[in-house]
Amino acid sequence: GNSVTQMEGPVTLSEEAFLTINCTYTATGYPSLFWYVQYPGEGLQLLLKATKADDKGSNKGFEATYRKETTSFHLEKGSVQVSDSAVYFCALVPGGYNKLIFGAGTRLAVHP
Amino acid sequence: EAQVTQNPRYLITVTGKKLTVTCSQNMNHEYMSWYRQDPGLGLRQIYYSMNVEVTDKGDVPEGYKVSRKEKRNFPLILESPSPNQTSLYFCASILQGEETQYFGPGTRLLVL
Repeated sequence: GNSVTQMEGPVTLSEEAFLTINCTYTATGYPSLFWYVQYPGEGLQLLLKATKADDKGSNKGFEATYRKETTSFHLEKGSVQVSDSAVYFCALVPGGYNKLIFGAGTRLAVHP
Repeated sequence: EAQVTQNPRYLITVTGKKLTVTCSQNMNHEYMSWYRQDPGLGLRQIYYSMNVEVTDKGDVPEGYKVSRKEKRNFPLILESPSPNQTSLYFCASILQGEETQYFGPGTRLLVL
């Protein structure tokens, strides 16, 4: 079956620290991979995506590389800001379907 | 502005009292979906609709109904709400052939 596993949070960092949130997946076929972000009190917004192996998605200083050999899509940012505090969801869309399958979410708290 | 809207944003109700959460999108998207978000479980799909008059069950459909009489609207109906349906609900839409889903702001439901 299809599933997504994320590292458990919360992740607490100081401003300007390096961020990694691990995400691994199980999927049949060739899924597309996504990171969504949920700021407090808001809905989910697409942060970045990658549609095939070795693609790198990037946005707002965040990056993630689609690694088929390790079935991973880890989210990274070189220098986090307080405004990055949010819940981050890794997700996949199995090839040929519109359904998003989400990980449990990782809460990030960045302190000044 | 392209958006998905949901109403109400917050709702407190009692067991057994029928309720409807509305969802509307202005992007002419064919595909719409409902998810519920619970701590530690991420988002799980309740129902989806490929187009007008075409709906199908997602992963957790028990206790919910939907209808799709118009392309823009996809209401979620709880005929007899129970406390285990207390959750945060998101509607999403997607253009057929695309993979990025657009989410509404969420409806927080408390069933007493």
